[in-house]
Amino acid sequence: ILNVEQSPQSLHVQEGDSTNFTCSFPSSNFYALHWYRWETAKSPEALFVMTLNGDEKKKGRISATLNTKEGYSYLYIKGSQPEDSATYLCALAHSWGKFQFGAGTQVVVTP
Amino acid sequence: DVKVTQSSRYLVKRTGEKVFLECVQDMDHENMFWYRQDPGLGLRLIYFSYDVKMKEKGDIPEGYSVSREKKERFSLILESASTNQTSMYLCASSLGGFTNEKLFFGSGTQLSVL
Repeated sequence: ILNVEQSPQSLHVQEGDSTNFTCSFPSSNFYALHWYRWETAKSPEALFVMTLNGDEKKKGRISATLNTKEGYSYLYIKGSQPEDSATYLCALAHSWGKFQFGAGTQVVVTP
Repeated sequence: DVKVTQSSRYLVKRTGEKVFLECVQDMDHENMFWYRQDPGLGLRLIYFSYDVKMKEKGDIPEGYSVSREKKERFSLILESASTNQTSMYLCASSLGGFTNEKLFFGSGTQLSVL
C-alpha cells in the first residue's frame, strides 16, 4: 500500500490570491490519481481523474498536474474565492476497487 | 446526477449496541464502498462490494460486516459498537471496475459511540 502524503495540512489564503498544494507518493505503482473537494457538511466531489501519461487537467480556476517521475501532483487554485474553502483529497487508484487516500489539505479562503 | 444517500447524518450509540449504517445509490452503479474518516488520517476503506451479495474486505474490516442484498443498497454493520469506532463514515459508489472511474460519495454519518 502506497503512503500518500498531502501538504500542507492546512492553509489560509486571502481572497483573490492564488495557491497550490501537493500530493506526493513514493512510487508510480498505481493506475490513476484522483482529486476530490470536500466542503463542510457536503459530500466529497470529484475534481479530476489523472492518468499516468502526465496530462494536466483544468476546471475553471482550478488545475492539476501530475509528475510520476518525481512522485507528486499539484493542485492550483487561481484567484481564490470563499467558495473554494474546502478540504482537498488526493487518492491513488492502485488496483481494482482500491483507493489510497491522503489526509487532505484544508483550504480556508478569507474575504 | 448520481445521488448517494446515507440514512443518518448524526448517530449516537452505546457500547455493545448493534449499529446499522445504510447507503443507497440511484444510478445503477456496480461498486459500492464504505470508508471511515478520522482526524489526521486519510479515508480508510472498510469494505467494498462489486456486485450484489459480493463483498471484499478493505484495509480495516475488523469489527464490521456488510450486506448488499440489492444493487442500490449497501449496509455497514457494527456487530458490537465500541468507542474506537467513533468516526465519520462515508459511503461511495462508482460505475464499474476501472481505476479512472470517479467515486460518488454520500454526505457522511458522524457516529459517536459512548
